[in-house]
Amino acid sequence: EVQLVESGGGLVQPGGSLKLSCAASGVTFKGHEMTWVRQAPQKGLEWISYISAGASTIHYADSVKGRFTISRDNARSSLFLQMTDLRAEDTATYYCATVGFCSGGDCLQPFWGRGTLVTVS
Amino acid sequence: QSVLTQPPSVSGAPGQRVTISCTGSSSNIGAGYDVHWYQQLPGTAPKVVIYGNTNRPAGVPDRFSGSKSGTSASLAITGLQADDEADYYCQSYDTRLSAWLFGGGTKLAVL
Repeated sequence: EVQLVESGGGLVQPGGSLKLSCAASGVTFKGHEMTWVRQAPQKGLEWISYISAGASTIHYADSVKGRFTISRDNARSSLFLQMTDLRAEDTATYYCATVGFCSGGDCLQPFWGRGTLVTVS
Repeated sequence: QSVLTQPPSVSGAPGQRVTISCTGSSSNIGAGYDVHWYQQLPGTAPKVVIYGNTNRPAGVPDRFSGSKSGTSASLAITGLQADDEADYYCQSYDTRLSAWLFGGGTKLAVL
């Protein structure tokens, strides 16, 4: 069974920093592209960052570019999100997820964790 | 305003069929990128109900189906049940933005 477990959320003051972690099990982590997605209270889903399987390609949403850094440790099957200069509008539940895609007729299902809450106040 | 457009709400009576549309453009759905659909019950994490446009994960009933045509995709739910009441989101990749976009979400009400 695939499991993604996020941790590291909590209450932080504006301007502060926080590092989120996502531990993967039941999946060949080093073969999966990964993303972070967040959801502000009572709002929709917002993709914020992507990292390729080998970490050679990284993308960020404009809303977090320059403040957040995504990274991964394939040996430890872990994904990270370093967040700096946090703002009230960063308050959200943060989810890690594998990237689903189809290639050559085969489709890979995306998997999601249960999320970790970050409150900036 | 989301790049992927969904209706804010849809509704149907138990047993009926509803569809939720997801309209994109030539840089995302129309470029051939896959569409995934998520169901989110209140207070819980999103759950994949359709991936790769038409595929159902194990455990998702065959009342849920997905389709894609041109720059749009749709999620259909037949035989509506009370526990289908949730928010539904579509997702696809946009090559112009280099971003994994979500639709704004659709709230399904089972009357």
